[in-house]
Amino acid sequence: DVKVTQSSRYLVKRTGEKVFLECVQDMDHENMFWYRQDPGLGLRLIYFSYDVKMKEKGDIPEGYSVSREKKERFSLILESASTNQTSMYLCASSLQGGGYTFGSGTRLTVV
Amino acid sequence: GDSVTQMEGPVTLSEEAFLTINCTYTATGYPSLFWYVQYPGEGLQLLLKATKADDKGSNKGFEATYRKETTSFHLEKGSVQVSDSAVYFCALSGQAAGNKLTFGGGTRVLVKP
Repeated sequence: DVKVTQSSRYLVKRTGEKVFLECVQDMDHENMFWYRQDPGLGLRLIYFSYDVKMKEKGDIPEGYSVSREKKERFSLILESASTNQTSMYLCASSLQGGGYTFGSGTRLTVV
Repeated sequence: GDSVTQMEGPVTLSEEAFLTINCTYTATGYPSLFWYVQYPGEGLQLLLKATKADDKGSNKGFEATYRKETTSFHLEKGSVQVSDSAVYFCALSGQAAGNKLTFGGGTRVLVKP
């Protein structure tokens, strides 16, 4: 089975901190994604990547950046965390044309 | 751009009742359609998918048929169980590079014994 592993299940950070969320997949998928999930808003795409060192903005990229130096790893970076970035963050990977495999999520609280 | 609209929840049912969750979409070309399920405290799991018009996806007693004429992909299950309590997401994937998924807002389903 494909596994997508997110480094932290729960995270509490202070306003203004730089935050790194890590995601690793073990099945050689080309595509990787970061979503945030908020009640009533569903999943919203922050950034995605379809190859190493490639990145594309999703629907809500403001306040975030990403890094994909290796095929298996896709990092989401909050340059200066703010309280409105408190959310559940979900990483996913896929082959082109295939379904997604999601990680278990990281619940981030910014205080 | 692409969009997915699904019925708002929560949907509360008794065990063995019939479940329908409506989903309609707007997309260019011929998207693939998906239903994902999220159980409490977990990430999303693929429930079923359909990649072309009139395809029927099915899994764990759930079914959905890709209806291009009505741009719909409604999820149905004939007899729900308490263990089906979850949030269900309808999604579509366009054909651009990157296989980007667009999700609906999710429908919370609560099945009572």
